[in-house]
Amino acid sequence: GENVEQHPSTLSVQEGDSAVIKCTYSDSASNYFPWYKQELGKRPQLIIDIRSNVGEKKDQRIAVTLNKTAKHFSLHITETQPEDSAVYFCAACYNQGGKLIFGQGTELSVKP
Amino acid sequence: EPEVTQTPSHQVTQMGQEVILRCVPISNHLYFYWYRQILGQKVEFLVSFYNNEISEKSEIFDDQFSVERPDGSNFTLKIRSTKLEDSAMYFCASSERINTGELFFGEGSRLTVL
Repeated sequence: GENVEQHPSTLSVQEGDSAVIKCTYSDSASNYFPWYKQELGKRPQLIIDIRSNVGEKKDQRIAVTLNKTAKHFSLHITETQPEDSAVYFCAACYNQGGKLIFGQGTELSVKP
Repeated sequence: EPEVTQTPSHQVTQMGQEVILRCVPISNHLYFYWYRQILGQKVEFLVSFYNNEISEKSEIFDDQFSVERPDGSNFTLKIRSTKLEDSAMYFCASSERINTGELFFGEGSRLTVL
């Protein structure tokens, strides 16, 4: 069935280090892969997304890579800062209905 | 910047009571969604809505749930007879395009069922 697996569930890094979060998806027809950042008690906020016709996308310190053959995509955050601390969710868009299937989330902690 | 708004921000109700959560999607958006998030867990799809009808619904969205767009602006989620396990944060979302469009989420409505 439709499923998105996300790893790790928690990630702790020192300020300035890089952080990598990985996701795999099950439906090869998926063509849109957003990443959301959620601070405690707040709504998920889109930080970057990638479509299936692109292998990599970068926006300042954030980058996402997509490997359609292997059905996995990753979020890379460089030069991490304490304000990057949050829960990050990957998602995959299935079928024509626009439904997003979310991963389990990664709690990122950036220590000053 | 336009945003999705939701009311109430927090509702406490007794088990068995009906609850209506309200959402005002972004005005030029055509696709509407409800998601829920149980505390500490992932965001789960409930239902999608387009052209005044349900496009898709998940297994969670059983007969106790219904959605409606009663006028040109509001999009509501009704839970007919709440259960303890309905306690969660409910997020409304909308998008301009389908399948490859960004979903904009509201701030959420926290439902607590006692």
